[in-house]
Amino acid sequence: EVQLVESGGGLVQPGGSLRLSCAASGFTFSDYWMHWVRQGPGNGLMWVSRINSDGTTTNYADSVKGRFTISRDNAKNTLYLQMNSLRVEDSAVYYCARRDVIVGALDYWGQGTLVTVSS
Amino acid sequence: DIVMTQSPDSLAVSLGERATINCKSSQSVLYSSKNKNYLAWYQQKPGQPPKLLIYWASTRDSGVPDRFSGSGSGTDFTLTISSLQAEDVAVYYCLQYYSTPPWTFGQGTKVEIK
Repeated sequence: EVQLVESGGGLVQPGGSLRLSCAASGFTFSDYWMHWVRQGPGNGLMWVSRINSDGTTTNYADSVKGRFTISRDNAKNTLYLQMNSLRVEDSAVYYCARRDVIVGALDYWGQGTLVTVSS
Repeated sequence: DIVMTQSPDSLAVSLGERATINCKSSQSVLYSSKNKNYLAWYQQKPGQPPKLLIYWASTRDSGVPDRFSGSGSGTDFTLTISSLQAEDVAVYYCLQYYSTPPWTFGQGTKVEIK
């Protein structure tokens, strides 16, 4: 069974940092591109970042470029999102999701981890 | 960036009746050489992550009831629930995965029981 479990969320002050993790199981993690998507309180979904299967290619939404870094450790089956210079507007539930090449889109999602940026 | 616009923002439908949600993209998401529309539909219930319903605009994901169907091509797409059930109350999102990057979602459509 495919499982994605996020962790690392919490309360942080503006300007602070957090590192989110996403532990994957039930599939060959190193074969898949992985994504982060966030959802602000009462808001819709926003794509944040993606990384290719071997970690050599990354992309970011303009609103997080230069502040967030996506990475992965295929030996540990874990995806990361390092978030620096956090802003109030970064407050959201952060989901990791798997992209399947046959489906094209994101087929499995974790339950999410809540990040709150507030003083 | 490709802008995805859903309509309506919300709708109330009687049990057993049809629900129709539209999604319009600001540019075509049809990859002509592959003849595929890079458009997916998701269902999200409160406190849960999004669940994939439809990909390539019209292909139902495994286990999705056949009352859910997707149609359209290019810039205009539709998600139809042919006979609304109580468990279908949720927010529905379209997603374009044509651009590299960013991928963009519609703003969501809330479906309720009338």
